[in-house]
Amino acid sequence: AQSVTQPDIHITVSEGASLELRCNYSYGATPYLFWYVQSPGQGLQLLLKYFSGDTLVQGIKGFEAEFKRSQSSFNLRKPSVHWSDAAEYFCAVGASDSNYQLIWGAGTKLIIKP
Amino acid sequence: DGGITQSPKYLFRKEGQNVTLSCEQNLNHDAMYWYRQDPGQGLRLIYYSQIVNDFQKGDIAEGYSVSREKKESFPLTVTSAQKNPTAFYLCASSRQMDYEQYFGPGTRLTVT
Repeated sequence: AQSVTQPDIHITVSEGASLELRCNYSYGATPYLFWYVQSPGQGLQLLLKYFSGDTLVQGIKGFEAEFKRSQSSFNLRKPSVHWSDAAEYFCAVGASDSNYQLIWGAGTKLIIKP
Repeated sequence: DGGITQSPKYLFRKEGQNVTLSCEQNLNHDAMYWYRQDPGQGLRLIYYSQIVNDFQKGDIAEGYSVSREKKESFPLTVTSAQKNPTAFYLCASSRQMDYEQYFGPGTRLTVT
């Protein structure tokens, strides 16, 4: 069965520092990959997605992610975080045999130190 | 503006009562979803519907029911059979045969 792992439950980063959030998936073929962000008490907003093509994808709010097939990873990065980036981040995977369902990681909570 | 609305934002109920959460979308999406979110557990799928008058159970359907009488609407009823109903509930929608989901703002249900 497909699965998505976000190994870090919490990450604390100083404002202005770089960020990398990890996401690993388990699936044989190339999946459809997503990163969503959720502010406290809110719904989820799509940051970026990867279906095919260039393995480095750009998203909203200055985020990017890189698909690495050899590592089954889709890590999210930002060169310099702002206090407004404090939120929970979810990685999700869509597999071709999943009836268009998304399989969700457990999320990583990003804390920004002033 | 197109989007998904969920009402109310906060809902309080006494144990043993059924409660219905509203979800409406004007995105003309065919598919709709209900998720439950608990701290540290990510999103768990309750029910989903890919076309009107049809829906399927997700991973945690026990104690919940849905209907899909209109394309725009996918209400979720939390029944008294749901043992631990207090949670944050999220509704989402997507185009037909598309993985990208759009989310509503959520409803926080508290049952005491």
